[in-house]
Amino acid sequence: DSGVTQTPKHLITATGQRVTLRCSPRSGDLSVYWYQQSLDQGLQFLIQYYNGEERAKGNILERFSAQQFPDLHSELNLSSLELGDSALYFCASSVARTGQRGYTFGSGTRLTVV
Amino acid sequence: GENVEQHPSTLSVQEGDSAVIKCTYSDSASNYFPWYKQELGKRPQLIIDIRSNVGEKKDQRIAVTLNKTAKHFSLHITETQPEDSAVYFCASNFGNEKLTFGTGTRLTIIP
Repeated sequence: DSGVTQTPKHLITATGQRVTLRCSPRSGDLSVYWYQQSLDQGLQFLIQYYNGEERAKGNILERFSAQQFPDLHSELNLSSLELGDSALYFCASSVARTGQRGYTFGSGTRLTVV
Repeated sequence: GENVEQHPSTLSVQEGDSAVIKCTYSDSASNYFPWYKQELGKRPQLIIDIRSNVGEKKDQRIAVTLNKTAKHFSLHITETQPEDSAVYFCASNFGNEKLTFGTGTRLTIIP
């Protein structure tokens, strides 16, 4: 157990639907990062939050949004889902605001859009 | 832009031999270079990292070297074992708040 908790582990939904992925960072970590990993692909950065504030944004689609709550857990909202959104979504946390410390990844949420 | 090139994309080595994976980054502002190992269906796990003020770092059978002038860094695994089979990702922070990952190397250890 890495200390980063992601729920649910698996999600199957239909095109056009909306889903919410949840992440609880490791105790003491203030930064939360979301990454998307499509089949046999690398890790694509979506968005970062630090202590409730958005700090960096990657190639995140307008249909996707995220937030970090006062208790530091984060949610990634994916709407108007398309088949191409099927992927493994990882959350990672870090104690630092800057990218100068390693991340600890959660086990991921596997999203399948049918 | 922020780009990390990783080679090779696949690598097969005989058990007991060494494996080397190389990454090149595009921005001299980068100062932190971690390596992650991802086993099939599992989360990426940090295995070793190096900062820009250090040229080499070792941890048992794993070592990372950094050449700031050439903007490249490499992962070296010696005396490879079957459990080393996985996908390995390099990453760089480009001096900012997130990590940009390479495209990954699928390492297969042949018994």
